[in-house]
Amino acid sequence: SAVISQKPSRDICQRGTSLTIQCQVDSQVTMMFWYRQQPGQSLTLIATANQGSEATYESGFVIDKFPISRPNLTFSTLTVSNMSPEDSSIYLCSARGRPGSQETQYFGPGTRLLVL
Amino acid sequence: AQTVTQSQPEMSVQEAETVTLSCTYDTSESDYYLFWYKQPPSRQMILVIRQEAYKQQNATENRFSVNFQKAAKSFSLKISDSQLGDAAMYFCAYRSEGADKLIFGTGTRLQVFP
Repeated sequence: SAVISQKPSRDICQRGTSLTIQCQVDSQVTMMFWYRQQPGQSLTLIATANQGSEATYESGFVIDKFPISRPNLTFSTLTVSNMSPEDSSIYLCSARGRPGSQETQYFGPGTRLLVL
Repeated sequence: AQTVTQSQPEMSVQEAETVTLSCTYDTSESDYYLFWYKQPPSRQMILVIRQEAYKQQNATENRFSVNFQKAAKSFSLKISDSQLGDAAMYFCAYRSEGADKLIFGTGTRLQVFP
């Protein structure tokens, strides 16, 4: 199994600022994902973080708002830019081994973000 | 497009009893995977159980088992001998064979009473 850590675990930010969330996996994985989970709701996929190329964003999410980096096979960052209170949410990093494989998808502990 | 439906927003069970959480899904694919994830209040998502659609035998992991009905597109989770630590949000999820995206249901909050 993969162990995923995220930093920070929580933060309170001011409107208009940006926050970068880091995700570290303890082993090399092919697939890394970023999800948003609003209070009491299910998970929504923001994007797939691609190593060495631009992330693949889901409908409703754009690179200018949620820039993502993935410099290697174990690390990714998600930036929430120009934040507003509507961005208050839990952001989860997730990872899996091989593209299209049946391997289990693991999740990090999440970053709880509150925007004032 | 594939969808996952969990029709029970909340369920409760008494300690040591059995509870079943429902999940239905809609897909035109024949090869896919189904998952149940648990998210305790500490919010770390952990995999409870996985089922491959090509397998007729229902998956079992200790006190957790599924009732997979492929024709009915149903994938329920049974928790036997419920424990206080089972209290959590439970998410049903689907992934097509060869796809990267995991599709989640809306979740069922399970309360366990002593």
